[in-house]
Amino acid sequence: QVQLVQSGAEVKKPGASVKVSCKVSGYTLTELSMHWVRQAPGKGLEWMGGFDPEDGETIYAQKFQGRVTMTEDTSTDTAYMELSSLRSEDTAVYYCATGIWDVWGQGTTVTVSS
Amino acid sequence: DIQMTQSPSSLSASVGDRVTITCRASQGISNYLAWFQQKPGKAPKSLIYAASSLQSGVPSKFSGSGSGTDFTLTISSLQPEDFATYYCQQYNSYPSTFGQGTRLEIK
Repeated sequence: QVQLVQSGAEVKKPGASVKVSCKVSGYTLTELSMHWVRQAPGKGLEWMGGFDPEDGETIYAQKFQGRVTMTEDTSTDTAYMELSSLRSEDTAVYYCATGIWDVWGQGTTVTVSS
Repeated sequence: DIQMTQSPSSLSASVGDRVTITCRASQGISNYLAWFQQKPGKAPKSLIYAASSLQSGVPSKFSGSGSGTDFTLTISSLQPEDFATYYCQQYNSYPSTFGQGTRLEIK
């Protein structure tokens, strides 16, 4: 059974970058397609990007193009999402998710504040 | 991008009621539609995938239907633990998009 465990909460200043990790257990990362979703306080769910197994590439939502990078370390079965040039509007809970959207990490709160 | 519109945005119901939430896609998505339940401070929980397939471990009181552009989630015999926010999501094409959510409250 796949489980995803994310890294802890982060507080960043505007303009900084944040890198959130998502550790896979129960499967190897190469067997999965990982996606990242965020949720601003009191708001809905927003897909940021993920791995498209048909093309073998990572696809990013246009909104985050140029600011987000999703990578994987297969030696440790850990996926990463790095978001740069942070602004206050990036304050949110960030989730990794996989499977038929049935497996989610517990979420990582990222707070952007001066 | 495909827009997903849920209705209603909020819904008040009583324990024991049966409720239906609808989700409309701005263009056809075949059956690439998922439903999630989310409680405050928790990650979304997947209920339904492929429009009508129940995720493992999800009680049969939850059911989904639809294809193309119009979809429904039905919850029968509401219990206190069912009061939460529900989201639909299309994964037919990128970017994947979510509905705005339906908040189900106790009457």
